[in-house]
Order: sequence, then C-alpha cells, then structure tokens
Amino acid sequence: NAGVTQTPKFQVLKTGQSMTLQCAQDMNHNSMYWYRQDPGMGLRLIYYSASEGTTDKGEVPNGYNVSRLNKREFSLRLESAAPSQTSVYFCASSGDRWDTQYFGPGTRLTVL
Amino acid sequence: AQKITQTQPGMFVQEKEAVTLDCTYDTSDPSYGLFWYKQPSSGEMIFLIYQGSYDQQNATEGRYSLNFQKARKSANLVISASQLGDSAMYFCAMREGYFYNQGGKLIFGQGTELSVKP
Repeated sequence: NAGVTQTPKFQVLKTGQSMTLQCAQDMNHNSMYWYRQDPGMGLRLIYYSASEGTTDKGEVPNGYNVSRLNKREFSLRLESAAPSQTSVYFCASSGDRWDTQYFGPGTRLTVL
Repeated sequence: AQKITQTQPGMFVQEKEAVTLDCTYDTSDPSYGLFWYKQPSSGEMIFLIYQGSYDQQNATEGRYSLNFQKARKSANLVISASQLGDSAMYFCAMREGYFYNQGGKLIFGQGTELSVKP
C-alpha cells in the first residue's frame, strides 16, 4: 500500500513554461485535494475533488487547473508558470470530504 | 481574521519530558473537526490526531493527546515522553462543517517548530 504518491519530487521551470503535477492514491478514497505550502506558512487549498467527476476551487486557484482523471488520479496543471508559484505542492486524499486527509510526499517546484 | 492560530513559532523540550503545543481556532460552525499534523525535516505531512467538535472526551493516540477546551476554542497537542524523533514542525488544522465548507477543506495554522534536546 503506497498511500498517496506524487510525481515529480522536484522540478525547476522557467517563467511561462507549463507542467503537470501527478497524484495517485491506492486507498480507494473518494475525495482528493491539492495544497501549496509557502515558506513559514501552513498549507493552503488550491483545488479539490469531493468525488470522481467533480472539481472545485479552493482558496488560491488562480494560475492552476486540475483534472480528476479517475477515482485514483488527480492532476494539477500550471499553464504558464510564474515565480509566485514557487512552492511545495501537496496532494491529499480522504475517504470522503469529512474523513481524515492523508498527504503525499510533496513536490518542490521552483519557477525562475 | 485568522481561523487557526499557533502562537509558538518555536519550542524546545528536554527528551523524555512532556510538551504542549498551543492551538486556538475561530469558527461559528457548531460542527467542525480539529487535526494535528507533523512535518519532519524530510517534508512529508503525517497525521497525528483528530478531535470532533461533538466528541465528549479528549482524543488520544499513543503518546499524543489533544487537550480540547471548546469554550476557550483551544485544541492543544500534548506529547508525552518526548523523543528525539519528535523534532519537527507541527501544524494544527480545522475543518468546518457542512454549512461553511462543502468540500471538507482544511485550514492550517502557521505551525510550531519543536526541537527535542538530548
């Protein structure tokens, strides 16, 4: 049981480049989330998917898009990266929206 | 207004002693949940303990307990018999209930960095 996996672990982009962060869970969870963590701060929600087939904006959605590919996978896309998107990105999943969220190992993204 | 406040940016504790990490929260929702997560230097977020707003008793998980004082809106984490491996950043988080939070999102505090001295 791998839990929540994220790829890549590290990424460096130039301003204006695009990329997709991948997340997968093997716990048969319904709900999945993307958070970002900036230095000295807690996590902030970017987007979430309460169940397969639905996605909604969180607190800081600007500059991002998401796709809930199937029950297991939830990807986060940066269409045109900006230095302000330099952060650590965490994916999380929970049985349903009211259950405990379990986090992946994170992706450290630097935008130059 | 900040919904989760952790007033201790950093704390030190001697190995084998107990330590309390403070967390206060603000919500008008009668139904909410409170969580503590540990983030070691390796970066992952590890779930420690959960307390529901309607739970009558304080939550406990091994060496971790949550001192829940509903009237004061505080949810302090108590770690008993500290170990060197407890050195990490600790985050308090809140999930509001149905009427305020359709998606079940977590709101995080800024964290407390705990250092355990040998």
